[in-house]
Amino acid sequence: SQQGEEDPQALSIQEGENATMNCSYKTSINNLQWYRQNSGRGLVHLILIRSNEREKHSGRLRVTLDTSKKSSSLLITASRAADTASYFCATRSGNTPLVFGKGTRLSVIA
Amino acid sequence: GAGVSQSPSNKVTEKGKDVELRCDPISGHTALYWYRQSLGQGLEFLIYFQGNSAPDKSGLPSDRFSAERTGGSVSTLTIQRTQQEDSAVYLCASSLAGGGYSGNTIYFGEGSWLTVV
Repeated sequence: SQQGEEDPQALSIQEGENATMNCSYKTSINNLQWYRQNSGRGLVHLILIRSNEREKHSGRLRVTLDTSKKSSSLLITASRAADTASYFCATRSGNTPLVFGKGTRLSVIA
Repeated sequence: GAGVSQSPSNKVTEKGKDVELRCDPISGHTALYWYRQSLGQGLEFLIYFQGNSAPDKSGLPSDRFSAERTGGSVSTLTIQRTQQEDSAVYLCASSLAGGGYSGNTIYFGEGSWLTVV
């Protein structure tokens, strides 16, 4: 079953704007990860945030985690056309493998 | 190899035939995962191998699906008597260790696109 649910399902923005994607989950987690997928092929790990962390940064990426609301957000600042992809959140609970959401399709228009 | 390698990258098969999909994980990675992704959908967990432990097969959709991992390295996902609904991208991933509070990064292969006609 899917644990994470991304919102929105699709997002279209102009180059240079910021993109914000949200993820909600249902059960307690050990960590939450964000992945990127180009053209329906392999996923690339972007960033991991542990359950005792509230915010992490990596380059133009900023991830927040609110365990009380069981939600996370991924912010991409100063977006570029090359950021066009699908973005997935994935959660890990206990000894279970990663459970992925359905993803947000981001389109950055030049 | 440098990354997770999957083969074939594309496979077209007739309904009712058996198919085998291969995954070669990153050397030294003890955890190996198979996921399935239908067009425009999220990833569906299939099976998970961790070292010498019994695999977690809880995601396999039917008894037509099976997987093995030989020598703790290469894995083969077998789909018997394929159906049209089996058409999807089958993604393999590996990591240094999985489960528990592990924060190890999971590395994905490029996937095997299966089309059942």
